[in-house]
Amino acid sequence: GAGVSQSPSNKVTEKGKDVELRCDPISGHTALYWYRQSLGQGLEFLIYFQGNSAPDKSGLPSDRFSAERTGGSVSTLTIQRTQQEDSAVYLCASSLRGSSYNEQFFGPGTRLTVL
Amino acid sequence: KNEVEQSPQNLTAQEGEFITINCSYSVGISALHWLQQHPGGGIVSLFMLSSGKKKHGRLIATINIQEKHSSLHITASHPRDSAVYICAVMHLGGGADGLTFGKGTHLIIQP
Repeated sequence: GAGVSQSPSNKVTEKGKDVELRCDPISGHTALYWYRQSLGQGLEFLIYFQGNSAPDKSGLPSDRFSAERTGGSVSTLTIQRTQQEDSAVYLCASSLRGSSYNEQFFGPGTRLTVL
Repeated sequence: KNEVEQSPQNLTAQEGEFITINCSYSVGISALHWLQQHPGGGIVSLFMLSSGKKKHGRLIATINIQEKHSSLHITASHPRDSAVYICAVMHLGGGADGLTFGKGTHLIIQP
């Protein structure tokens, strides 16, 4: 069966450029999460979508980061004016519902390198 | 802020050994996850638990809510178990904050 997919798998960009990362959650999953894993660092939460509710953006590191989820399905994470410290693996996860008791299924990630 | 501490950070063992990885957290949670991340980077959810013990094959996860502690055990370890094991907690109140992660335990099982 189809799992969570992300694209692109790798992205190399120049400092100052904007990038868009895409996540396709598992069909029927209402909750979607974005996480970031920087080199040598642990995973950190970025943003959470639950159904049609306003997203929880509390983990976004700066106003250069934004995300949207269209039609309750596909999500796009946008980073404007990229900086070298944005280099990381960006992971998307989805779960059936945004409840503590629902397992999260992770995508393969997008490895972003900012030169 | 909930801190999640894992130990050990690195562990090298021989095939067949019994492995224990520990996770401690500082504030109340509603659920704890154990995740496995292979060298290629993909993350797989192993367990999600809020009390007691769960077993899946050679993997066992336990949690003590009062002591704010969880352990992941691997019996009869095998080289294919080599991966980074990550403990993550969900705060009380639901999924709004996503998961808070430990820094992971890098496990190497030598044949």
